[in-house]
Order: sequence, then C-alpha cells, then structure tokens
Amino acid sequence: GEDVEQSLFLSVREGDSSVINCTYTDSSSTYLYWYKQEPGAGLQLLTYIFSNMDMKQDQRLTVLLNKKDKHLSLRIADTQTGDSAIYFCAESIRLTGGGNKLTFGTGTQLKVEL
Amino acid sequence: NAGVTQTPKFRILKIGQSMTLQCTQDMNHNYMYWYRQDPGMGLKLIYYSVGAGITDKGEVPNGYNVSRSTTEDFPLRLELAAPSQTSVYFCASGSQETQYFGPGTRLLVL
Repeated sequence: GEDVEQSLFLSVREGDSSVINCTYTDSSSTYLYWYKQEPGAGLQLLTYIFSNMDMKQDQRLTVLLNKKDKHLSLRIADTQTGDSAIYFCAESIRLTGGGNKLTFGTGTQLKVEL
Repeated sequence: NAGVTQTPKFRILKIGQSMTLQCTQDMNHNYMYWYRQDPGMGLKLIYYSVGAGITDKGEVPNGYNVSRSTTEDFPLRLELAAPSQTSVYFCASGSQETQYFGPGTRLLVL
C-alpha cells in the first residue's frame, strides 16, 4: 500500500537553507512531487521529479531522491519569510484506465523567523 | 489563464441537504480529480475522470457522485450531507505527469 510520511514542523532563520524530508513506501511510484499550501489557499505545484532521476534543481529549490531508501527531500536555499507555508510531499501511482492518484503526506509546516 | 476554478468558496449545509461543488478548467486537460482534505491531513482522492464521459472511484467515494459531460467541467455531487463530509474539497486537473489544483471549497455540515 501507499504511505507517505513527513515531519510535522520545521523552523529556520531567514537566509538559512531549509531541508524538508519525506519517506514513501510504494516503489512503483512514477513521479514524486512537492506542493506548497499557504493558509486558506489551494496547493501550488512547486516541483516534481521522475522516479528514475536522483536530483533536480530549479532556482532556489533542490530535490533529492534516494530510490533505494524511498526518501525524498526538498532543499530551499536562502529561505525567505514568504516561504512560510505547509509543504506536502506526494507520490504518484498510476490508476487503471489512465491518470495518476497522488498520495500525500500530512505536510510539514515551515516557519521562517527573522 | 484562469487554470482550475471552483465554486462556491464556502458553504454551510444542514444534515441531509444536497449540493453540487463546481469545478472548471481551461487547460484542456483530460484528467480531472476530486480530493478532500481533513484538518491536519493530506488529501484523499474521492473520484477521478480520464476524459469526458469516463469517471471512476478513488479511495473515499461513498456519499459522493460525479459526472463529466465536457472536458472542462467536473462537478461533485453530495446527495445527503453528513457531518463526516465537513472538509475542504479540492479539484485538480492535469496531464500524465502533473496535477494543478483549484483554490478549494470549504464545506461545513451541521
């Protein structure tokens, strides 16, 4: 079955790097995602990585994937107060007939302090 | 480009009432999804559609129905609202690789 786990809370100082970690269980996941949710808002797709890659960089964001350990991380460089939000890790499982079901973790609340 | 839009933003229902949550996307995506998010939790898949006229159940379909008569629209119907359906409902659309989410509908059943 699918299960995605994340730590609940992370606090960092502005300008530092943040690292949010996630573990997943389904080795057949095709893609893994990071979404950002600000209070009262929907989920914003930040970045995603194909399961046969081990790293992806996109401006301040770096995603690392360790497929052997089923571990995914999101590093945010030079963290800003605007990065304060809940970050969800999700794995993608192919559905019968097409499309993908996303299984989400419970989210990591990132708090950026001055 | 509007992306994925949802209406209403917020609704209070009495137990046993029915309502339809609307979802529209303008990205010409074949795949559309309905998820619910309970407090402090991730999202759970209710129903999904791989194209007009085709729908299928997700993880938590009981108490809900959907239809997909056009590519753009994917409404979610609650027939007999129950307190357990109090949640935030997110619609998403996407390709094989990605899913883009709407802003959500907050539903309170009393």
